[in-house]
Amino acid sequence: DAGVTQSPTHLIKTRGQHVTLRCSPISGHKSVSWYQQVLGQGPQFIFQYYEKEERGRGNFPDRFSARQFPNYSSELNVNALLLGDSALYLCASSLGGKETQYFGPGTRLLVL
Amino acid sequence: GEDVEQSLFLSVREGDSSVINCTYTDSSSTYLYWYKQEPGAGLQLLTYIFSNMDMKQDQRLTVLLNKKDKHLSLRIADTQTGDSAIYFCAERGGANNLFFGTGTRLTVIP
Repeated sequence: DAGVTQSPTHLIKTRGQHVTLRCSPISGHKSVSWYQQVLGQGPQFIFQYYEKEERGRGNFPDRFSARQFPNYSSELNVNALLLGDSALYLCASSLGGKETQYFGPGTRLLVL
Repeated sequence: GEDVEQSLFLSVREGDSSVINCTYTDSSSTYLYWYKQEPGAGLQLLTYIFSNMDMKQDQRLTVLLNKKDKHLSLRIADTQTGDSAIYFCAERGGANNLFFGTGTRLTVIP
């Protein structure tokens, strides 16, 4: 079975632009969580979605938004990009809202 | 709020045991996790422990949990060069979000 997949693998944007990152969970998993990992730090929680509803939100500005589709895949959107948004964005899937999370390879975003 | 702390670096010789330590603050955490991250990659789940357990062993990995001191450790027996990576301790928050430490960079010297 395939693990969590994310696209694209790398992305370069300029300040002020918008970005959409995509995630497909492990087959059968209904929950997706998003994390931001800045270089040299541990991942920071952004959002959790379960059964297409937002179940948790971390301390991130409203420029960050997400959604989950009927097939349980998810998109993370970031508007008005700042240099500080440069990071590895990790998606994790779990069977349910309170199960062990399995991570994808991440999308590395560079904002110039 | 939750706070997870780890030492930043650890070096061991190939074949020795490695012990990576972590302290956490949320005494209500039900699960604690260890993840491994190799350069340029995502996080690989290594093992986890439920809060009512003191120890869990899985092949070369042993997890010890001291709930009184809020201390978690990961012991890797017979450490190999392929174990060189960053190891993250994480506790599960109330909304199933994970709180991670800053990671411990393990370097295995041949």
